[in-house]
Amino acid sequence: GAGVSQSPSNKVTEKGKDVELRCDPISGHTALYWYRQSLGQGLEFLIYFQGNSAPDKSGLPSDRFSAERTGGSVSTLTIQRTQQEDSAVYLCASSLRTGNTEAFFGQGTRLTVV
Amino acid sequence: RKEVEQDPGPFNVPEGATVAFNCTYSNSASQSFFWYRQDCRKEPKLLMSVYSSGNEDGRFTAQLNRASQYISLLIRDSKLSDSATYLCVVIRGNTPLVFGKGTRLSVIA
Repeated sequence: GAGVSQSPSNKVTEKGKDVELRCDPISGHTALYWYRQSLGQGLEFLIYFQGNSAPDKSGLPSDRFSAERTGGSVSTLTIQRTQQEDSAVYLCASSLRTGNTEAFFGQGTRLTVV
Repeated sequence: RKEVEQDPGPFNVPEGATVAFNCTYSNSASQSFFWYRQDCRKEPKLLMSVYSSGNEDGRFTAQLNRASQYISLLIRDSKLSDSATYLCVVIRGNTPLVFGKGTRLSVIA
């Protein structure tokens, strides 16, 4: 597609359930980033991929969070045993490479844990 | 100390005013700098890169001061459509983009 695509756009889940968020980056972009943004707050870095490898997982808030990227393209962010504090907008971005290049964001997945 | 700090605002300015935002960064190894714009409930989008020599794009001017470790964004002749949150972004080498919390601007008619 022309831009970064994320699905679902909205997700309401019950506390304790697992959720999977998907990101389809711009074709040819080797770098892929996951951030989350709580209401009225800044962007919190979660994890990034260079190709299929994740050099930096330091931002993942707990071991309930994991992410993978296959084929250097689509990435999934999985949150196990969701908690109410996981409610946020999860934003994915991609860029041609890491470093000094523009990152393009998807429209995000709004996750609400009830 | 956070790696990137911005005044959260809000900055409320009348149409036609000139407004400036600063952003400070703590890591002297930072190499690349950007301003992103985020409209309410939308994703961030690149506004402009910030070059060492300073750069201008229409009504927008970005400056970098490496000695004092800050970047600035100047908006001249503010329009209602400039109302948004402006995010300062810093990159060190091949690290992911580090975002400031943003400065909220409201341009009032």
